[in-house]
Amino acid sequence: KAGVTQTPRYLIKTRGQQVTLSCSPISGHRSVSWYQQTPGQGLQFLFEYFSETQRNKGNFPGRFSGRQFSNSRSEMNVSTLELGDSALYLCASSSGLVGGELFFGEGSRLTVL
Amino acid sequence: SQQGEEDPQALSIQEGENATMNCSYKTSINNLQWYRQNSGRGLVHLILIRSNEREKHSGRLRVTLDTSKKSSSLLITASRAADTASYFCATDLTSGSRLTFGEGTQLTVNP
Repeated sequence: KAGVTQTPRYLIKTRGQQVTLSCSPISGHRSVSWYQQTPGQGLQFLFEYFSETQRNKGNFPGRFSGRQFSNSRSEMNVSTLELGDSALYLCASSSGLVGGELFFGEGSRLTVL
Repeated sequence: SQQGEEDPQALSIQEGENATMNCSYKTSINNLQWYRQNSGRGLVHLILIRSNEREKHSGRLRVTLDTSKKSSSLLITASRAADTASYFCATDLTSGSRLTFGEGTQLTVNP
């Protein structure tokens, strides 16, 4: 069974640009969650999508958005990038059971210059 | 602030020794989970313990949960250099709808 796939793995952007990250969950999983990981803030929850609907949202500005497609693949977008957006963005899939085990991808490392 | 707080922040031991990491949380939980992360990689689920359980084992891992003290511990026995990683606890709150992660413990096992 293939794991969670995130693309791209690494990317460099400049301030003011926008970026789109992609996540393909484990086959059969209907929930996709996104987390931002930085040395100073640790793992911060961004949002969760379940069956194409945003089920939960963290405390991030509106520049951070996401969506989920009918095949459960998910994308997140960050507009008007700031230096502080430099982070490892992790996607996790699950069956959708609240509080259940999460399966993480390897992450997308974003550097904003 | 984070719901789960791990202690210590960093731990360095010799191969063959046991490693113990602790996690404290603030409110009622349905379950508590431990994850491992190798440097710059994704997290890997290690073990889940439900609020009505007190201890759970998986290979060289032993997890305990004390809901009265709102704390959990992860014990890795006979550690190996390959166990070097960051370890996170994550809580499923009764009042919440998602897992909340702690800051993590950086474990270094010296060969």
